[in-house]
Amino acid sequence: AQSVTQLDSHVSVSEGTPVLLRCNYSSSYSPSLFWYVQHPNKGLQLLLKYTSAATLVKGINGFEAEFKKSETSFHLTKPSAHMSDAAEYFCVVSDLGGSYIPTFGRGTSLIVHP
Amino acid sequence: NAGVTQTPKFQVLKTGQSMTLQCAQDMNHEYMSWYRQDPGMGLRLIHYSVGAGITDQGEVPNGYNVSRSTTEDFPLRLLSAAPSQTSVYFCASSPAGVSNEKLFFGSGTQLSVL
Repeated sequence: AQSVTQLDSHVSVSEGTPVLLRCNYSSSYSPSLFWYVQHPNKGLQLLLKYTSAATLVKGINGFEAEFKKSETSFHLTKPSAHMSDAAEYFCVVSDLGGSYIPTFGRGTSLIVHP
Repeated sequence: NAGVTQTPKFQVLKTGQSMTLQCAQDMNHEYMSWYRQDPGMGLRLIHYSVGAGITDQGEVPNGYNVSRSTTEDFPLRLLSAAPSQTSVYFCASSPAGVSNEKLFFGSGTQLSVL
């Protein structure tokens, strides 16, 4: 069965420094992978998705993620954090084995210090 | 374009009361789903539907009922509310059945059961 593990429940960075949010997945098929962002008291918004095209995926607001099959990882990065990036981030996997029903990670809270 | 509309935004219930959370989408999406979000647990799937007249259980279905009589609407019913159902509820939809398409989320319903 598909699953996803977000390795950090909280990540704290200073404004202007790089961001790394880690996600490992498990899938017996060719997975689709997503990152969603949730700002405080808001719904979820898609940041980016991977669906077996280019392994380096660029998303909105300067975020990108790299699909690494050998490491079963899909880490989210951004070169320089902004205060407005403070939010909850969710890694999501879906595949044929799970009938493409998305499975969410537990989330990583990104804290950005001035 | 309204997207996914959830009502109410806030609700307080007493233990044993019943209520219905409403979800409507105007994008002609086949797939609709309900999630609950609890701290440290990510989003957990309650029920989902791949089209009108078709529903299925997700990870945490107990205590909830759904129906899908139209493509647009997917209400979630709490039969006899319990304090364990205190949570934030999100409705989400995506086009063309269950696939690797992104989810469109409503703004959420914050439910407290006393």
